Amino acid sequence: DTEVTQTPKHLVMGMTNKKSLKCEQHMGHRAMYWYKQKAKKPPELMFVYSYEKLSINESVPSRFSPECPNSSLLNLHLHALQPEDSALYLCASSQDQIVLFFGSGTQLSVL
Amino acid sequence: DQQVKQNSPSLSVQEGRISILNCDYTNSMFDYFLWYKKYPAEGPTFLISISSIKDKNEDGRFTVFLNKSAKHLSLHIVPSQPGDSAVYFCAVNPNYGGSQGNLIFGKGTKLSVKP
Repeated sequence: DTEVTQTPKHLVMGMTNKKSLKCEQHMGHRAMYWYKQKAKKPPELMFVYSYEKLSINESVPSRFSPECPNSSLLNLHLHALQPEDSALYLCASSQDQIVLFFGSGTQLSVL
Repeated sequence: DQQVKQNSPSLSVQEGRISILNCDYTNSMFDYFLWYKKYPAEGPTFLISISSIKDKNEDGRFTVFLNKSAKHLSLHIVPSQPGDSAVYFCAVNPNYGGSQGNLIFGKGTKLSVKP
């Protein structure tokens, strides 16, 4: 089983809203990731959690706030986003931190 | 500057023929490479990988070749099937020995396999 589950699949929010993206994996993987992908661009790393601790933050604006409540769950809290933040947000997990397994993503539109 | 380059935005191949997708990288210290396949509005799916101690890795219809001196790798799909139509991303894990999974992706090549 290599499934990473992300909810919701689609999200539309205004610039003053607060919302959260959720990610879950039950493969016992020790690392979880948030990537962002704009249309016709490659995925770009945002955050890495290893053993539930934040190990990489790729200079992401503070309007994106990650949270890892336990080894199976990863959240991304969104607040005061801008229209240019509209993108596909991908969660991934990995046991060896070499090969990553991605979820289907949340397509976010900021109005 | 792009560290992982996929210079062909698109490729069209007839069903049953070979598809060859190419990828170049800039840093000779990179030592682990991956290919992912992506359908629209879905996440990337891991296909195959290769470490720099090998020059070839094969998994079913998919073979990846690595030419370290040229800093070039390629993915061969034989025979190509219509279901292979997708965007293929080349990715590098830049810290293989002390990896944290911070993959660097190329821009992707859109493969179309025509029946």
